[in-house]
Amino acid sequence: GQNIDQPTEMTATEGAIVQINCTYQTSGFNGLFWYQQHAGEAPTFLSYNVLDGLEEKGRFSSFLSRSKGYSYLLLKELQMKDSASYLCAVRGDAGNNRKLIWGLGTSLAVNP
Amino acid sequence: DAMVIQNPRYQVTQFGKPVTLSCSQTLNHNVMYWYQQKSSQAPKLLFHYYDKDFNNEADTPDNFQSRRPNTSFCFLDIRSPGLGDAAMYLCATGVRTNNEQFFGPGTRLTVL
Repeated sequence: GQNIDQPTEMTATEGAIVQINCTYQTSGFNGLFWYQQHAGEAPTFLSYNVLDGLEEKGRFSSFLSRSKGYSYLLLKELQMKDSASYLCAVRGDAGNNRKLIWGLGTSLAVNP
Repeated sequence: DAMVIQNPRYQVTQFGKPVTLSCSQTLNHNVMYWYQQKSSQAPKLLFHYYDKDFNNEADTPDNFQSRRPNTSFCFLDIRSPGLGDAAMYLCATGVRTNNEQFFGPGTRLTVL
């Protein structure tokens, strides 16, 4: 089967650093995505990893280890507006399959 | 600005009364997706189009149909909405050679 696991909830303090983990078991692998979703709004793209290593984009970084089926999203200098759900999604098959397999999301609460 | 537009943002219908949700895009993307998302759940892919090629998910109920009359527009028809169909419906677009999906703001459907 295909499965993506991430913690349900996390809490952090404004200005701190938080790491949200994601592990996956899929029949194939063709990239991993992180999306941010505020309550009642659509997901917005944060990052994409297809090769092992760290991708940095401003306050957000994403890491991938394909051999371990593991990724994390690192958020630095947390702001109140970062309170949202963070969704990990994997493109499980190459070729013509353009579908994403989604995790349930991690709800992050940033406290003052 | 190039974007994905969904109308209406909020839709109320009665049990069993057909309803149509619309999505349009100015990105000229080949692929258009329809997702259903219920509270605290991951987006669930209903179907997607690659150009005019329609791809239905195996577990999408027959109650859900879709039309894509041209590149810019895509419609989701729910023939006989049940109470369990109340959800956020997300439209997304993508390019074959690009992995990111661009989401519209969603339509929140209420079934009375």
